[in-house]
Amino acid sequence: EPEVTQTPSHQVTQMGQEVILRCVPISNHLYFYWYRQILGQKVEFLVSFYNNEISEKSEIFDDQFSVERPDGSNFTLKIRSTKLEDSAMYFCASSTDRDQETQYFGPGTRLLVL
Amino acid sequence: GDSVTQMEGPVTLSEEAFLTINCTYTATGYPSLFWYVQYPGEGLQLLLKATKADDKGSNKGFEATYRKETTSFHLEKGSVQVSDSAVYFCALKSNFGNEKLTFGTGTRLTIIP
Repeated sequence: EPEVTQTPSHQVTQMGQEVILRCVPISNHLYFYWYRQILGQKVEFLVSFYNNEISEKSEIFDDQFSVERPDGSNFTLKIRSTKLEDSAMYFCASSTDRDQETQYFGPGTRLLVL
Repeated sequence: GDSVTQMEGPVTLSEEAFLTINCTYTATGYPSLFWYVQYPGEGLQLLLKATKADDKGSNKGFEATYRKETTSFHLEKGSVQVSDSAVYFCALKSNFGNEKLTFGTGTRLTIIP
């Protein structure tokens, strides 16, 4: 069964460094999403992406964040200058049609900012 | 804004026990409601969903009924198994064209033999 994959599974970085989290969505999906979960808190929506542009973003998704689909398979989340509070589990998801509502999630990348 | 409040965990039950995980929501209009499950080391998987009032979602022996009058979507299973041990997330999606899912905090369920 097709699945969303994410790399790396864990990443440790120093405050102020740039990180890129990678996701490979399911191949025929058109909508892509990033969510995050700070330890002990709710899973929070960050951004959705369709047709090579952001279609919706939350207030968390400020200028330090960016997303890109650099080729036909990868979907990346970049954090330009990481802060301690960016430490979280980051989930990528994809769906075939936003109206269909079923989003398929990857296993997550655990980011630790020191 | 939209929000989901979920029963705090962790929850520990014996095999074959009855399970209820409570979920209530706040949203304008008529959102769609979901339960996602996360098994150890894996991503969030859709367990079941309901898109309108009084709908019952069901899968793998789990059920949840969309109760508009109580704004609830409680997850139930009559007889749990060790393999049901996971984290369960209640979520909603607004019907106002938003694409995002709004999640609860998740409930960790452990089933002991």
